[in-house]
Amino acid sequence: GEDVEQSLFLSVREGDSSVINCTYTDSSSTYLYWYKQEPGAGLQLLTYIFSNMDMKQDQRLTVLLNKKDKHLSLRIADTQTGDSAIYFCAETRSGGYNKLIFGAGTRLAVHP
Amino acid sequence: GAVVSQHPSWVICKSGTSVKIECRSLDFQATTMFWYRQFPKQSLMLMATSNEGSKATYEQGVEKDKFLINHASLTLSTLTVTSAHPEDSSFYICSASTGTEGGGYTFGSGTRLTVV
Repeated sequence: GEDVEQSLFLSVREGDSSVINCTYTDSSSTYLYWYKQEPGAGLQLLTYIFSNMDMKQDQRLTVLLNKKDKHLSLRIADTQTGDSAIYFCAETRSGGYNKLIFGAGTRLAVHP
Repeated sequence: GAVVSQHPSWVICKSGTSVKIECRSLDFQATTMFWYRQFPKQSLMLMATSNEGSKATYEQGVEKDKFLINHASLTLSTLTVTSAHPEDSSFYICSASTGTEGGGYTFGSGTRLTVV
């Protein structure tokens, strides 16, 4: 199975909050990330959280980290149609070079 | 901010030919770059870690002779898909780390390879 797991699809109404969840496996990860990918494009870093933090807020984005359960979530407040995209969580995996390991991605669909 | 430029954006090639994809860090030096492959509606799979001045480190299951990686300078890494076949058709994305807080992983815009 996937080392980093995410639900595959989320549909929300415009103006509501979106919550995307992720579980990871490497307890030694230094940072955990959320990336956004629009169709046919590369990845855009949305935010990251240091592993010794519980929460980080950046404008409409709130990241919550539960280290005990290895659970990461991304909340998008006041979701807009422009937020429709695929959202990937990622963890750093140690071993020589800190490489990013991605979840399968959550497709967020925002409808009016 | 840090920018990674990836070219070409898309390429169509015939089976049996080779294709080179370039990844450049425009305003920073990257001793390490990463190459990912993404199948439609799937996640990014790390193929290899490209190290300036040394051999690339390939992930398990990735054919070294098939996917040649060269990291000739601190700002350029190339991925060559040799003797391409239709099953090599995919979206390839490179990434570089600026080494700043949070890792500073910056991604290129990706290359869509279609082998016919």
